[in-house]
Amino acid sequence: ELKVEQNPLFLSMQEGKNYTIYCNYSTTSDRLYWYRQDPGKSLESLFVLLSNGAVKQEGRLMASLDTKARLSTLHITAAVHDLSATYFCAVDKSGGSNYKLTFGKGTLLTVNP
Amino acid sequence: NAGVMQNPRHLVRRRGQEARLRCSPMKGHSHVYWYRQLPEEGLKFMVYLQKENIIDESGMPKERFSAEFPKEGPSILRIQQVVRGDSAAYFCASSPHGPDTQYFGPGTRLTVL
Repeated sequence: ELKVEQNPLFLSMQEGKNYTIYCNYSTTSDRLYWYRQDPGKSLESLFVLLSNGAVKQEGRLMASLDTKARLSTLHITAAVHDLSATYFCAVDKSGGSNYKLTFGKGTLLTVNP
Repeated sequence: NAGVMQNPRHLVRRRGQEARLRCSPMKGHSHVYWYRQLPEEGLKFMVYLQKENIIDESGMPKERFSAEFPKEGPSILRIQQVVRGDSAAYFCASSPHGPDTQYFGPGTRLTVL
């Protein structure tokens, strides 16, 4: 069974600081997603990483994928309060058909002024 | 363009009752996916449907759970004779052209007393 593990599960950081969220998964997959969820709201797609070594950046967030290590990272640079949310990574286990996502438990990020 | 709509947002049922969760995909989307998030866990795939067809229900519990996506109207996830272990958040997602980036709804929180 595919397992997706995120750490940390809770992250409290100060504005202006940098930090990294890690996502490990247990079986081979070539497609990894990062989502953001605000309380009571939908999951919002942030990044789709399609190949080994893929790196994508949007604002203060940068995601990378190492398929050999089965590891993805979400790096936060100079955090601001607006980034407070729960971040999920998800792995496609449908053999490339791109619909059977398995999610990690999520990382609850709180950015304090 | 309204996003994926789910209702109700919160549902309370007593053991043995039936729960019906509704999902209206985004306009123009004909592919729907249901996920379940148990407490302290990540979202897990349940079922993938197209209009009037179940494409993959490998994540659905074998008993009491069913899903449909009729030609007209929302997709329905139905849970018969609910038990306490069914308490979870149920998320629906949709996509326009088949397995693709999934757009998530806000979820239905089911509580079984």
